[in-house]
Amino acid sequence: DAGVTQSPTHLIKTRGQQVTLRCSPKSGHDTVSWYQQALGQGPQFIFQYYEEEERQRGNFPDRFSGHQFPNYSSELNVNALLLGDSALYLCASSPGINQPQHFGDGTRLSIL
Amino acid sequence: KQEVTQIPAALSVPEGENLVLNCSFTDSAIYNLQWFRQDPGKGLTSLLLIQSSQREQTSGRLNASLDKSSGRSTLYIAASQPGDSATYLCAVSNRDDKIIFGKGTRLHILP
Repeated sequence: DAGVTQSPTHLIKTRGQQVTLRCSPKSGHDTVSWYQQALGQGPQFIFQYYEEEERQRGNFPDRFSGHQFPNYSSELNVNALLLGDSALYLCASSPGINQPQHFGDGTRLSIL
Repeated sequence: KQEVTQIPAALSVPEGENLVLNCSFTDSAIYNLQWFRQDPGKGLTSLLLIQSSQREQTSGRLNASLDKSSGRSTLYIAASQPGDSATYLCAVSNRDDKIIFGKGTRLHILP
C-alpha cells in the first residue's frame, strides 16, 4: 500500500517563473494538506483540500493556489516565484477532517 | 494565535543515555499533539500522537506526555542509539485541523 507520494522530488526554477507540485494521497484518504518548510524551520500550513474545495488556508499570499481532483490527488501552484519561496514543500493526507495526517517526502524547490 | 516552542534547539548526548525533549504551546484548546521525526532532506514520520483527553502515549523506547492545562509535552527517549539522530518536531492540531509545528530539536547521538 503506497503512502503519500509527491512529485517531482527536486525542482529548480528562477525568479518570476511558475511551478506546479503534485501529491497523491495514501489509499483511502480524501483530505490533502500542503505545508512549506524553510531551512531550519518547522513546516507552515499553506492550505487544505477536502471534497475538491479549499477548506481552509494559512497565511500565504494568493500566488499560492491549489486544486484537488476527483481521485483526491492534489496540486500546489505557485506563481511569480520569489527567492523566499525556496523550501521543502510537504503534502499530507488524511481519511477525513481531524484525522491523523500522513506526510510525503516532499518536493525540494530551489529558486535561483 | 497558537505558538509552539521547542527546547533545546539542538542536543548532543552519548549513546545509551536517556533524554527528554520539551515542547510548549500557548493555546491549551488543542485537539491532539504529535511528535514527528525528520531525517535530513526527508519528510515527516509520525512517532506518537496524543489525543487531548490522553496524558501519554508509548511506543517502544519512546514515551510522550501531555499536560494540556500547562501547555507542555515531553518526549522521552530511553537508551538512545546513533540511529535516533534526527530532528524531532512537536506539532499541535486545533479543532480547525491546522497543524502548528515547532521549529524542532536537532538531536545527535554520539557513538
